[in-house]
Amino acid sequence: TQLLEQSPQFLSIQEGENLTVYCNSSSVFSSLQWYRQEPGEGPVLLVTVVTGGEVKKLKRLTFQFGDARKDSSLHITAAQPGDTGLYLCASNAGNMLTFGGGTRLMVKP
Amino acid sequence: DAGVIQSPRHEVTEMGQEVTLRCKPISGHDYLFWYRQTMMRGLELLIYFNNNVPIDDSGMPEDRFSAKMPNASFSTLKIQPSEPRDSAVYFCASSFSTFGEQYFGPGTRLTVT
Repeated sequence: TQLLEQSPQFLSIQEGENLTVYCNSSSVFSSLQWYRQEPGEGPVLLVTVVTGGEVKKLKRLTFQFGDARKDSSLHITAAQPGDTGLYLCASNAGNMLTFGGGTRLMVKP
Repeated sequence: DAGVIQSPRHEVTEMGQEVTLRCKPISGHDYLFWYRQTMMRGLELLIYFNNNVPIDDSGMPEDRFSAKMPNASFSTLKIQPSEPRDSAVYFCASSFSTFGEQYFGPGTRLTVT
């Protein structure tokens, strides 16, 4: 059982569409990280959210941390083929950083 | 900074052979992590080191896997003997802290036939 549940697991959309992916847990976290992994490469940190209710924007990407700090969402506006990749959330669990199963996004031109 | 360096990038070997994967972390990072990634199981933590000392190896699948960090700038992950089910992409990552941003290498794609 994944400590961090990500949904959907797979998403295929057309360029220009909007999308939201989710990261949920039954545990409260002090912070949560979002990474993007492009094909053939390692994951790269996009953002860290720390405060319940926090919203951070990175160009067309909007990240939100739930008020109770148990969930987070990533919204992409006007998706582009360059957004294609695996989106991973990660947070503290026990004595180490734990990753969710990821959402695999494909944006078709 | 060159980032985390892993070698080789690709490894194809036959079942039963020994495989050694190598990692050079970012200078100054005290933490080093080894992960395995497959479509079925996602990104799994195998082991991590702090100041060259193994802290948690509970993710190491079995005794065929071993990892060492002889100094702050080098770590190895060894599989002996290798099996087809070990086929995966193995990532090394380094960080300033346990919960801080992790910097991943490009990975080693291992295929065991």
